[in-house]
Amino acid sequence: KQEVTQIPAALSVPEGENLVLNCSFTDSAIYNLQWFRQDPGKGLTSLLLIQSSQREQTSGRLNASLDKSSGRSTLYIAASQPGDSATYLCAVLGGDWGNEKLTFGTGTRLTIIP
Amino acid sequence: GAVVSQHPSWVICKSGTSVKIECRSLDFQATTMFWYRQFPKQSLMLMATSNEGSKATYEQGVEKDKFLINHASLTLSTLTVTSAHPEDSSFYICSATIVRGKAYGRSNTGELFFGEGSRLTVL
Repeated sequence: KQEVTQIPAALSVPEGENLVLNCSFTDSAIYNLQWFRQDPGKGLTSLLLIQSSQREQTSGRLNASLDKSSGRSTLYIAASQPGDSATYLCAVLGGDWGNEKLTFGTGTRLTIIP
Repeated sequence: GAVVSQHPSWVICKSGTSVKIECRSLDFQATTMFWYRQFPKQSLMLMATSNEGSKATYEQGVEKDKFLINHASLTLSTLTVTSAHPEDSSFYICSATIVRGKAYGRSNTGELFFGEGSRLTVL
């Protein structure tokens, strides 16, 4: 059974700092890994999608890496801003063909201090 | 990006009634839809996976008779919470994807697209 863990569970940093969020998964047989952000009481916003054959994806100040063999992914946020405050979730898509399952991590609650 | 519409966004109902939540993919045909629930300050928990035209696959501990899922078309899946009780109050989110190689005009990236969620409060 796939298990996805995110460390740290909560993080507070001053505005302007660069930061890294970590995601680890136990079963490396995945189709892709996706990073999301969730604002309180709201749905999910997709940030980056990395296919299993890729090693990283970039969008603006965000960079996500994937090391499938070691079961790890990181989300790097450059020059953090107060608007980045949210809960960040990673999720891996795996399972047998035709019976795919998405497993979410436990989330990292990020607070950017102005 | 692709849009998934979830309706209603919030609903309040009396204990014992049934509530239906709809999840629609607006600009693509989704072969697979996932339903999640989320309790306050917790991560999303997968409830069930539904593939178009077949019965939903429920996760362990999720009552299939209580949470009825129908995925009758490639653009619509519904979750019905039957005989709702206060402990069913939660945030329910659906997601849709094209996973099994049926592109239907979109690239099959396996990317998931999420609805905005539905907050259910059972009195």
